[in-house]
Formats: sequence, C-alpha cells, structure tokens
Amino acid sequence: QVQLVQSGAEVKKPGASVKVSCRASGYSFNRYFIHWVRQAPGQGLEWMGWINPRGGTKSAQKFQGRLIMTRDTSITTAYMEMTWLTSDDTATYFCAAEATLKAFDIWGQGTMVAVSS
Amino acid sequence: QSALTQPPSASGSLGQSVTISCTGTRRDVGGYWYVSWYQQYPGKAPKIIIYDVTKRPSGVPDRFSGSKSGNTAFLTVSGLQAEDEADYYCKSYAGSDHPYVFGTGTKVSVL
Repeated sequence: QVQLVQSGAEVKKPGASVKVSCRASGYSFNRYFIHWVRQAPGQGLEWMGWINPRGGTKSAQKFQGRLIMTRDTSITTAYMEMTWLTSDDTATYFCAAEATLKAFDIWGQGTMVAVSS
Repeated sequence: QSALTQPPSASGSLGQSVTISCTGTRRDVGGYWYVSWYQQYPGKAPKIIIYDVTKRPSGVPDRFSGSKSGNTAFLTVSGLQAEDEADYYCKSYAGSDHPYVFGTGTKVSVL
C-alpha cells in the first residue's frame, strides 16, 4: 500500500545537525511532492518546506538557511536536514506526500527530535 | 506568515453537531479554494478529512463537511461520535512565496 516510513528518534546537542529520512513505497516516487511539517510538544502543526522529487525545493522563510531537503530517487527516499539546532527545534517531524493538489494525503509516522545539552 | 486562527476548543454531545472556524486573510483562506482539514489523535500523524474546502477523501464519513465564507473556513462534524474526539487543524495554500499555513488547532471533546 501507499506509505511513507520515517527514520527513528534522534537526540542532538545544541548546534548540531539532524537528518531525517522518509522512504516512500506503493507509488511512483517522482509523482508527488514531499512536504515536511513539524510539531513541537503540545503545539500545533508548522509547515517547513517541500521537495519535488523531480528537482527543486521551497522552504518557509523561517527555515531558510537552516533547512536542507534532498532526495535519492534510486531508493525512493526524501531527506530533511536541519542545521544549527536549538532547543526550539525539539519537535516531531513529519513528512507528507501531496497526492492531491495542495493537500497532504499521505503522512509518515513522525520522527521525534530532541535537542538538549 | 501568521497561523490561521482557530478556537482552542469545541465540544458537543454524542449525536450533536460541532462547527470549527478557521480564520485567515485574503492572501490565504480568502484567496484560494485550497483549504484542507486534518484530524490528529495524540501521538499520531495527522489524517486528511477535507480538501479543496468541501471535498472528502475516500473513506472519510460524510458526517464531516467543509465550507468557506470570505476569509473564514469551517469544518462541521455532524452526529458526533466518541471517536471524533481529537485535534483538528485547518491548512490553506497562500501563494508561491509562502505556500502553506496551518491553523492553530482545535481540540474537540465529545460530551
């Protein structure tokens, strides 16, 4: 079935980077944009950016300069790397596929990233 | 880009209806017919329940309906059931420069 499977939880120190993977299966990887959304503990959802598996990315202004989105089409996997982590980056990070125009139809299970000294 | 405004909480009795608002601006909710709604249970990933303001994905009960008036979108849950108790988020497309913005979220309680 169509699904996105994310990598496991991470614990990082302030100033470090984290890279989260999102492996797609059950559909043609090049077909749908992949979005990254995060949710701090007890808080709401925040859109971070998208990657077009055929090429191209767009980040929310807040994350420009710190958010790096890449993909490896050979293994149908998208990656989200966040640099210069602070405690404010402690959150669950989700990937989501845009199977329907402008809608996030398919979601990964989420990856918890904790930033603590 | 500011988050869309939703009431923090809403509630209704079993079998009744509840309506959640999602207020933005003409640059997001008011400017596009790309409002979607997501249901999220604690510790789980969100699930889409409405897209393009009014459309339901396959498998979503017709108890869920969406609408829009001006800069405000609405989600109505009719015939509330216990499993509808969850957090609900709206999301709107907001143009190519600042593509997406989520709502602040509403916790729905079923009394």
